[in-house]
Amino acid sequence: EVQLVESGGGLVQPGGSLRLSCVASGFAFSSHWMHWVRQAPGKGLMWVSGIHNDGSSTTYADSVKGRLTISRDNAKNTMYLQMNSLRAEDTALYYCAREGMAAAGPDGFDIWGQGTTVTVSS
Amino acid sequence: SYELTQPPSVSVSPGQTASITCSADKLGNKFAWWYQQKPGQSPVLVIYQDSKRPSGIPERFSGANSGNTATLTISGTQAMDEADYYCQAWDSSSVVFGGGTKLTVL
Repeated sequence: EVQLVESGGGLVQPGGSLRLSCVASGFAFSSHWMHWVRQAPGKGLMWVSGIHNDGSSTTYADSVKGRLTISRDNAKNTMYLQMNSLRAEDTALYYCAREGMAAAGPDGFDIWGQGTTVTVSS
Repeated sequence: SYELTQPPSVSVSPGQTASITCSADKLGNKFAWWYQQKPGQSPVLVIYQDSKRPSGIPERFSGANSGNTATLTISGTQAMDEADYYCQAWDSSSVVFGGGTKLTVL
């Protein structure tokens, strides 16, 4: 079964750090770009970051640049999101998502995990 | 920055056709993707590359994209289609989501 399972969320104080993990199974993890997408309580989806198949290229939303770092370990079929200098506005459900493999150009997100909740509060 | 605009809500009677729009400057020059999200669940891809349906998505879901507007159409809408729907596009190397549309089937 194709699956993504996130973990690592929790309650953290403003300015604190957290590392999220996303473990993939049931597909060739190293063949896909992978992404983090978040959803604040009662709000819409917001793309956070993406990483190339082999980790050689990363992209970030402007609002998280310099504070969040995406990485992956293909040997462990795992993607990470290191979150530093956290703010209240980072409070959200964080999903990992697999980008499809379009014949040309970027693709959409065809597999999503169940999400892990990050709460930034004192 | 590139913005995708969706109506906050759309209502439809069971069995009728629902249309959800997604607007942005020259959106028709890009591909659009659509996701369905039911309460407490993760998003599900229902349309990719403007008009293609992933395996397992019912034929009543269709999409189109031209000019400044992409449209998700649900024909013969069923109660199970009540959900939030999000459009998505790429702007350079960044992903953009629309604000979402709550579809109510009443």
